[in-house]
Amino acid sequence: AQSVAQPEDQVNVAEGNPLTVKCTYSVSGNPYLFWYVQYPNRGLQFLLKYITGDNLVKGSYGFEAEFNKSQTSFHLKKPSALVSDSALYFCAVRDITGKLIFGTGTRLQVFP
Amino acid sequence: EAQVTQNPRYLITVTGKKLTVTCSQNMNHEYMSWYRQDPGLGLRQIYYSMNVEVTDKGDVPEGYKVSRKEKRNFPLILESPSPNQTSLYFCASSLSRGSYEQYFGPGTRLTVT
Repeated sequence: AQSVAQPEDQVNVAEGNPLTVKCTYSVSGNPYLFWYVQYPNRGLQFLLKYITGDNLVKGSYGFEAEFNKSQTSFHLKKPSALVSDSALYFCAVRDITGKLIFGTGTRLQVFP
Repeated sequence: EAQVTQNPRYLITVTGKKLTVTCSQNMNHEYMSWYRQDPGLGLRQIYYSMNVEVTDKGDVPEGYKVSRKEKRNFPLILESPSPNQTSLYFCASSLSRGSYEQYFGPGTRLTVT
């Protein structure tokens, strides 16, 4: 069965510092990986995806993610965090039916 | 504006009282689905639909029904709600099952007492 794991419930970072939100996956075959962000009282917004090709994927709001096949990881990164990046972040893998299988979420808190 | 809408946004009800949460998309998407979000569990799929009159169970379908009579609408029906269905519900849509990006509605927070 396909799954993703987000090992950190919360990540705290100071504004201006780089941030990393971790995700590891377990899939059979080629993974279709996604990051979504959820702001308070809002639905999920698509950030970026990895389907194939370059291991470094660039997405919305200055975020990027690095696909690492040997470590089965797909960590979300940003070079310089903003207070407005504070939100709940979900990693997901898509299965053959189109279903997104989500991790448990990581709350990112960026302090001024 | 391309969007997925859900109604109501907030609902408090009592055990056993039938309710429907509506979902509508204006993007002519074929694929629609319902998820529930619970703390520590992430989002789990309840039902999905690949097109009109085609629906199938997701991971947690018990206690829920859906219908897809029109392409744009995908209501979620709770025939006899129970407290364990208290959750945050999201509707999502995409162009097709194979599309990479899914668009999510704003969510419906349901409390069953």
